[in-house]
Amino acid sequence: KAGVTQTPRYLIKTRGQQVTLSCSPISGHRSVSWYQQTPGQGLQFLFEYFSETQRNKGNFPGRFSGRQFSNSRSEMNVSTLELGDSALYLCASSLHRDGEAFFGQGTRLTVV
Amino acid sequence: SQQGEEDPQALSIQEGENATMNCSYKTSINNLQWYRQNSGRGLVHLILIRSNEREKHSGRLRVTLDTSKKSSSLLITASRAADTASYFCATVSNAGNNRKLIWGLGTSLAVNP
Repeated sequence: KAGVTQTPRYLIKTRGQQVTLSCSPISGHRSVSWYQQTPGQGLQFLFEYFSETQRNKGNFPGRFSGRQFSNSRSEMNVSTLELGDSALYLCASSLHRDGEAFFGQGTRLTVV
Repeated sequence: SQQGEEDPQALSIQEGENATMNCSYKTSINNLQWYRQNSGRGLVHLILIRSNEREKHSGRLRVTLDTSKKSSSLLITASRAADTASYFCATVSNAGNNRKLIWGLGTSLAVNP
């Protein structure tokens, strides 16, 4: 069974641009969560999607948005990028919303 | 804000020694999970312990849960250099419909050969 796949693995963007990151969950998993990880702030929850609906949202500005498709694949979008958005963005899928989470390798975003 | 708080923040030991990491949390939980992360990679699930369980084992890993103290510990016995990683605890609250994992900041473990 294929694991969680995140694309792209690395990305360099300029301040003010927007970016879209993609996550393909494990087949059969309907819950997808996104996290931002930085050295100073640790793992910060962005949002969770279950069956195409956003179920939970973290404390991030409206520039951060996401969606989930009918095949459970998810995308997150960050508009008007800021230098502070440089981070490792992790996606995790799970069969049940409170069960074991399976993580992708992450997308390393650098904003210059 | 983070629910789980791991202690210590960093730990350095010699190969063969045991490593103990602690996690404290604030609200009532449904379950508590431990994860491991190698540098710059995704997290890997280690153990899930439910609120009605007190201890769980998996290979060289032993997790305990004390709901009265709202704390958990992860013990790695006979550590190896390959155990060098960051270890995170995550809790799932049993309050209402809130089922998201809430994470601590992690313990960075260095096992020296």
